[in-house]
Amino acid sequence: KQEVTQIPAALSVPEGENLVLNCSFTDSAIYNLQWFRQDPGKGLTSLLLIQSSQREQTSGRLNASLDKSSGRSTLYIAASQPGDSATYLCAVRLNQAGTALIFGKGTTLSVSS
Amino acid sequence: DTEVTQTPKHLVMGMTNKKSLKCEQHMGHRAMYWYKQKAKKPPELMFVYSYEKLSINESVPSRFSPECPNSSLLNLHLHALQPEDSALYLCASSQDNGRNTIYFGEGSWLTVV
Repeated sequence: KQEVTQIPAALSVPEGENLVLNCSFTDSAIYNLQWFRQDPGKGLTSLLLIQSSQREQTSGRLNASLDKSSGRSTLYIAASQPGDSATYLCAVRLNQAGTALIFGKGTTLSVSS
Repeated sequence: DTEVTQTPKHLVMGMTNKKSLKCEQHMGHRAMYWYKQKAKKPPELMFVYSYEKLSINESVPSRFSPECPNSSLLNLHLHALQPEDSALYLCASSQDNGRNTIYFGEGSWLTVV
């Protein structure tokens, strides 16, 4: 059974720092991996999608990498801002037709000004 | 437009009530999903519809009844719920049930009293 783990569970940093969020998964047979952001009481906003054949994706200050063979992904946030404060969720899509996302428990990020 | 619209945003219902949650997308997506999220937990998959047919039911109790009237709409009918069913219910959609980005709505907060 696929399990997704995110470390750390919570992170507090001062504004301007570069930071890395980690995600690991137990079964490397995935279609893709998706990073989301969730603000308190809100829905999920898709940040980046990495297909199983890709190594990384970039969007603005965000960079996500994928090492499928080792079952790891990282989300790199450059020059963090207070507006980046949220919970970041990693989710994998299994390499089977008709499956949906399996989520990690998330990393709650707090960026102080 | 990457919008998934959910109504109502908040719902309070008694244990004997019958209510429905609604979800709509106009992105031409053919896969639609219901997730349940409890506080400080990751979303958990409930149902997947693919091309308007139910493809996954994650052993959800029958007091939750999904319906997909057409490719743009997804409903979740609620009947005889329990207080422990109180949660954020998230609807999502994707172009298919394979390699594409999954987009989430803002969710419907359900409180069962």
